[in-house]
Amino acid sequence: NAGVTQTPKFQVLKTGQSMTLQCAQDMNHEYMSWYRQDPGMGLRLIHYSVGAGITDQGEVPNGYNVSRSTTEDFPLRLLSAAPSQTSVYFCASRRSGSETQYFGPGTRLLVL
Amino acid sequence: DAKTTQPPSMDCAEGRAANLPCNHSTISGNEYVYWYRQIHSQGPQYIIHGLKNNETNEMASLIITEDRKSSTLILPHATLRDTAVYYCIVRVPNYGGSQGNLIFGKGTKLSVKP
Repeated sequence: NAGVTQTPKFQVLKTGQSMTLQCAQDMNHEYMSWYRQDPGMGLRLIHYSVGAGITDQGEVPNGYNVSRSTTEDFPLRLLSAAPSQTSVYFCASRRSGSETQYFGPGTRLLVL
Repeated sequence: DAKTTQPPSMDCAEGRAANLPCNHSTISGNEYVYWYRQIHSQGPQYIIHGLKNNETNEMASLIITEDRKSSTLILPHATLRDTAVYYCIVRVPNYGGSQGNLIFGKGTKLSVKP
């Protein structure tokens, strides 16, 4: 298994541009989440999904959209990037009934 | 807000036991204690979790006080590769929805020195 994969690893955007951060898992996990991590901070939850077709907001959802059309994929969309969205983004997944979350390697986003 | 308090940093000599404390004085009866760590530039990694009994796995041991208001993560023989930020998290088990997600504080930066 590849586990949780994220693309791209690094991205530079200009203010106002849009992009999609990709996240995929091959473990057939029901639960998937997006977190962001700013320097010196812990991770903060952006959006999460408890299964295909079901998403909900986390702690810091503003400026981000998500969808979950398949069990495997959980993309995070930035519709109009802002410098405040400069961060490292982590995707995570876990199986229903399990206490263990598996994290991807992260996407480093710089918005100029 | 995170429900836990951890020291911002600790040092440990290589080969010695690393004891990382965590205070969670407002923990509820149905909340578990979880530990994750994050090695530099990587995604967090699950270590261990427990409710009230002490737990041990291949990575670490978790000691929870009888009143459950604090706990200690023990890495029995720390190596340089254990240098990371360690997060202590309390939450109810994954009954679904937001309860299944993790609330991270700032953690403890453990530096293992040769």
